[in-house]
This record gives sequence, structure tokens and C-alpha cells, in this order.
Amino acid sequence: DAGITQSPRHKVTETGTPVTLRCHQTENHRYMYWYRQDPGHGLRLIHYSYGVKDTDKGEVSDGYSVSRSKTEDFLLTLESATSSQTSVYFCAISDPSSGGGLDTQYFGPGTRLTVL
Amino acid sequence: AQKITQTQPGMFVQEKEAVTLDCTYDTSDQSYGLFWYKQPSSGEMIFLIYQGSYDEQNATEGRYSLNFQKARKSANLVISASQLGDSAMYFCAMREGNYGQNFVFGPGTRLSVLP
Repeated sequence: DAGITQSPRHKVTETGTPVTLRCHQTENHRYMYWYRQDPGHGLRLIHYSYGVKDTDKGEVSDGYSVSRSKTEDFLLTLESATSSQTSVYFCAISDPSSGGGLDTQYFGPGTRLTVL
Repeated sequence: AQKITQTQPGMFVQEKEAVTLDCTYDTSDQSYGLFWYKQPSSGEMIFLIYQGSYDEQNATEGRYSLNFQKARKSANLVISASQLGDSAMYFCAMREGNYGQNFVFGPGTRLSVLP
């Protein structure tokens, strides 16, 4: 158990509204990630963070922003939600200091977001 | 170009038999890692096994083993003695470099274990 929680777990919202998803971890892992999962695409990286206030874009970052003001929290914001952002969102953590360059990613339980 | 290919969208296996899930990858990095994850119908992503590009022996974790063939760029997952609880989606993933964000997933294989 990597001590990762996501909130909310389910959300239904309307097109054009802002949405913020939260990822919380309890073990001071350095790296945090946001992915989205869609049928036929596996998981695709949206944004990641390599430390407090240090973030960068992933493969599918358009329409998303992130913030990390504390080690334990990584927020994903949809400024103006669209139907194409209906998806399951996963947060993940990793820690290169775990040794041997292993850097396995461990995932939170996911958030199912529906944009109507 | 796809970095991770899983050519089997769905597979069936009889309970107690072994099954191999295929994964091929594409990278020009010398240092990389290969991972398998399981996603049951409940939706969570569960880490199963890891193989480093410099590891000479195939990784094993209980009933899971990774058949790593570097020259062929394949990293197949072998599940021995399948159980009904093994029915799930299985994702192969690759990290290029030693750590961080260069982590890509394949499209997955849905495994169904038959009683």
C-alpha cells in the first residue's frame, strides 16, 4: 500500500465548469503523476511533478493544469471541462531514491469523471 | 510509433494452466525498465513485476515471471497455475531512462480465466 488517496472518487459535472481532482500521499514520495485512462489508449500521462512547485507537461496536457504546493498533495484542474475529458483519472507516485533505479510507479484508486 | 505493443486484446486460459501475455517495446535507450500491471474489474492498478534492462536474469514474483528477451525487445508476462482471480486487464509499461516521467503504457490485454 503506497498510501495514495484520490478525491473525489466519482464526479459528474457539466461542460464549461471548473473541476479539481486531488491526489494525496502520506509517504513523502518525490514524484507524482496524473494519468487518464480511456478505452483503447491504456494510460496517458497528463502532467507530473518532481517536487514542490516543480511540474511539467505530459503527453496529453492540453486543457489541464496542476499544482503542488505541498509534498503530499498534487492537484489536477480542468479549467473548463469538456465532454472529451470524460475519463478515469489516476494519480501515481514514484521515488527514485528507493534504490537501484527501480522507480516503480504505484497508483491511487482512480477518479471517474463524467462531463455532460 | 507505438513504444509498447500488446498484440492480444483478449485471451482465455483454463484454471490451473499457465498463460503468456505478449509485450514488445521500442526504445533506443540503453537504460530502461519494463513493468507489468494488473487492473481487475474493480479498477485499481496493481504493480506485478519489474525488469531492468541490465538485469541478466528474468524477474519472478510468486506465480508471475517476466520472459525478457532483450535482442527481440520483448517482455512477456507468464502467469503460472492461473486462478479465477487472475481475470483482469494486464498492462505492459516501459520507463525510458532511470527514473521519472518517460513512462508509457501499452493498450492492455484482457485475460479471462475459465473454471
